[in-house]
Amino acid sequence: EVQLLESGGALVQPGGSLRLSCAASGFTFSSFAMTWVRQAPGKGLEWVSTISWSGPHYADSVRGRFTISRDNSQNMVYLQMNSLRAEDTAIYYCAKGLYLISDWGQGAMVTVSS
Amino acid sequence: DIVMTQTPLSSPVTLGQPASISCRSSQSLVHSDGNTYLSWLQQRPGQPPRLLIYEISNRFSGVPDRFSGSGAGTDFTLKISRVEAEDVGVYYCMQTTQFPHTFGQGTKLEIK
Repeated sequence: EVQLLESGGALVQPGGSLRLSCAASGFTFSSFAMTWVRQAPGKGLEWVSTISWSGPHYADSVRGRFTISRDNSQNMVYLQMNSLRAEDTAIYYCAKGLYLISDWGQGAMVTVSS
Repeated sequence: DIVMTQTPLSSPVTLGQPASISCRSSQSLVHSDGNTYLSWLQQRPGQPPRLLIYEISNRFSGVPDRFSGSGAGTDFTLKISRVEAEDVGVYYCMQTTQFPHTFGQGTKLEIK
């Protein structure tokens, strides 16, 4: 059974930094791209970033501020978030896949507020 | 960026009756590999999204057969043959053919 467990969500001040982690299990992690999607309170879904064999990809809204990375030896994917803004407040979901985004974690809440 | 437009945004349905949601993309979702990467997701209240349908019409593992997807090119439809109480939630179409991946606005399915 695929399991994705996000951690690292917190309340952070504008301009601050945070790193989200996602622990994956139940599949051959190194064989799959991994994706982050976020959802602002009461809003829809927004793709944030994907790390695949062709490298990292970012939404324009986070490019230059967020960095996605992975550790295949630990089955972990990360999202380093810098220069955080109020509009980054959201639940951040870790998901498995690139073309077929098949499994989703429960999400980690990030609140950017002073 | 590919814009995904869903209709309706809200759908009150009677239990046991069918429901249909449309999704239109601003450009073709046919990938250079010949596949069309259009998925449908369900998000129940307080839950993460769940994949229902991928590549237009393929039901994901464990998805009841009352859910079906159809369409081609830029026009796609999700149908629920007989709505059950557990189907309440928000439904999203999503394209992963091209970066940035994009979602429809979401359609809220509720019981009359």
